[in-house]
Amino acid sequence: EADIYQTPRYLVIGTGKKITLECSQTMGHDKMYWYQQDPGMELHLIHYSYGVNSTEKGDLSSESTVSRIRTEHFPLTLESARPSHTSQYLCASSSTLLRVYNSPLHFGNGTRLTVT
Amino acid sequence: SQQGEEDPQALSIQEGENATMNCSYKTSINNLQWYRQNSGRGLVHLILIRSNEREKHSGRLRVTLDTSKKSSSLLITASRAADTASYFCATDMSGSEKLVFGKGTKLTVNP
Repeated sequence: EADIYQTPRYLVIGTGKKITLECSQTMGHDKMYWYQQDPGMELHLIHYSYGVNSTEKGDLSSESTVSRIRTEHFPLTLESARPSHTSQYLCASSSTLLRVYNSPLHFGNGTRLTVT
Repeated sequence: SQQGEEDPQALSIQEGENATMNCSYKTSINNLQWYRQNSGRGLVHLILIRSNEREKHSGRLRVTLDTSKKSSSLLITASRAADTASYFCATDMSGSEKLVFGKGTKLTVNP
C-alpha cells in the first residue's frame, strides 16, 4: 500500500561500520521525515526536509546525517554505527499541496537496525 | 517533551465489541491525527480532525476532539481481529510544522 520505499528492511551490522538507510517516494511530496522508534514506544523525529537541499534536525538528537539532493530521495547515514543506534527507523513524506497544516504523513515500512 | 499521550496503553476486547482510545495533549493545536501501526510495519494514516471540528467519521471510525479539555478519542465500532494494531495520535503545536506522536495504545481484538 505504500508509495514510499525503505531499504533494507532489516540490517544487522557490527560496531563501527558506516551505513546508509535508503528512502524513496514516488508521490512527488516535498516534505520528508525520519523517525526513530524503539519497540512499543513513541516515534521521535530525528530529521526532516521541506525540499531539495533543505534538511533540519528533529527533536531527538541523533548522530545520523541526511541529504536531500533529489525530491524523491532522502537517505540517512550513520558514519560509525554503535549498539545504541539499534532501533527501527521510519521514513515518511507529506505534501503541502493539500493546504492543510501538517497534512497526513505517508510512512514506509521501516528499517529495523541491529548493531552488534 | 511529549505533546500527545494515549490512554489506555493496552486494550484487549472481543470481536464485535467497540474499542475506545483516548489522547490528551498539552498545547493548542492546528489539527490532530490518528494513525495505525501493524506489528513491524510503518504507520498508516486513519483520520485528521482540525481544531475547529468536534467530530469526524470514517467508516467504522469515529473521532472526537475537545479543545477545551485538550483531548481526543478514537472509537472503533464492531471491531474485527484485523483491527489488532497499535494506534497513535499525533499533534502539532500552533505555529509548528512538526508532528509529535504519543506512545500509542496497543489494541488486541480476540476472535
